[in-house]
Amino acid sequence: EAGVAQSPRYKIIEKRQSVAFWCNPISGHATLYWYQQILGQGPKLLIQFQNNGVVDDSQLPKDRFSAERLKGVDSTLKIQPAKLEDSAVYLCASSLSFPANTEAFFGQGTRLTVV
Amino acid sequence: EDKVVQSPLSLVVHEGDTVTLNCSYEVTNFRSLLWYKQEKKAPTFLFMLTSSGIEKKSGRLSSILDKKELFSILNITATQTGDSAVYLCAVYDKIIFGKGTRLHILP
Repeated sequence: EAGVAQSPRYKIIEKRQSVAFWCNPISGHATLYWYQQILGQGPKLLIQFQNNGVVDDSQLPKDRFSAERLKGVDSTLKIQPAKLEDSAVYLCASSLSFPANTEAFFGQGTRLTVV
Repeated sequence: EDKVVQSPLSLVVHEGDTVTLNCSYEVTNFRSLLWYKQEKKAPTFLFMLTSSGIEKKSGRLSSILDKKELFSILNITATQTGDSAVYLCAVYDKIIFGKGTRLHILP
């Protein structure tokens, strides 16, 4: 089975610029997550979708971050404008369903560097 | 505030040693605890634990959950250099990750 696909793999932008990340989950997975992982820390949940609805976005900095999953399949995460502290790896993950106890499968992530 | 705490944060051992990684948690709604191995970017799934006292095993790795004391351990026996990675613990319902334990195996 194909895994979670993310693009781009790397991105370098200047502060105050905008950036978008794309994620295509495993086919049939209803739940999609976006995580931010700063170097040396564990992943922090930014937003969780169940199909095209938001389950949890309590830790998403909504003044600059936005995410959508319009058709309940792939998703985009946008940062506008970027700050230096947004430098991190952005991981997308998907799971069959929520709140059923199924593990999340992760994509390779996008490493964002803000300079 | 919900939290997941892993210890130690880093560990260096020699090949062949046995290691025990710890994960304690305080969360409002507990559904399950998951262990992941992260070598480069994508964490890969190891175990999901939902019941106390039932050991899960996969080769040289094993894990157990104590829901009364709110912790889990991950054991790796006869460690190999390929076990070098960051081991992450995550607790559902709110999917909170610990900071991870960085394990380095010396040949």
